[in-house]
Amino acid sequence: GENVEQHPSTLSVQEGDSAVIKCTYSDSASNYFPWYKQELGKGPQLIIDIRSNVGEKKDQRIAVTLNKTAKHFSLHITETQPEDSAVYFCAASRAGNQFYFGTGTSLTVIP
Amino acid sequence: NAGVTQTPKFQVLKTGQSMTLQCAQDMNHNSMYWYRQDPGMGLRLIYYSASEGTTDKGEVPNGYNVSRLNKREFSLRLESAAPSQTSVYFCASSETSNQPQHFGDGTRLSIL
Repeated sequence: GENVEQHPSTLSVQEGDSAVIKCTYSDSASNYFPWYKQELGKGPQLIIDIRSNVGEKKDQRIAVTLNKTAKHFSLHITETQPEDSAVYFCAASRAGNQFYFGTGTSLTVIP
Repeated sequence: NAGVTQTPKFQVLKTGQSMTLQCAQDMNHNSMYWYRQDPGMGLRLIYYSASEGTTDKGEVPNGYNVSRLNKREFSLRLESAAPSQTSVYFCASSETSNQPQHFGDGTRLSIL
């Protein structure tokens, strides 16, 4: 099956700085890569996703990049704010198959 | 629009007891999923239902059973609870497979 690895497990940044979280996957057939944000006591919430026919996608301060050759994808958050503090999960899947999640990154934005 | 609703939110069981976790979605989604979340291990799929009338095992199905009652509802049953099943359980739904999943807020289950 698919194996998704996520780094780092914890990340602290100063408010206003950028944060980058990286994931690698093993199954070259995976073609959908979502990112989820989980706040304390809540379920994960989709923040951005990318499909394998696209190399980069942006939504305001959040962007995701995908390198299919190297089988890795990354989440970029610019101009971080305290409300960005949460746990972030990456995932990979392909049609008709289950999602495989990374182990999460706990992001702390220091005011 | 409630999205994905899970009940109960918290539960404490004794070893050997049984219980059913309930999940309902109001987005007319075809696919539904049950995950467990343990510290440092991310989300692991227990069972999923690609469409009404079908269920399949995920990564960690042992000790669990599921029922897709109708298109809206997908329940998870622990027949004889064990301390290793202490976890936070999340239900999710998506329009079809390989589409964004929408999660409930979880059931926090402790087994003594």
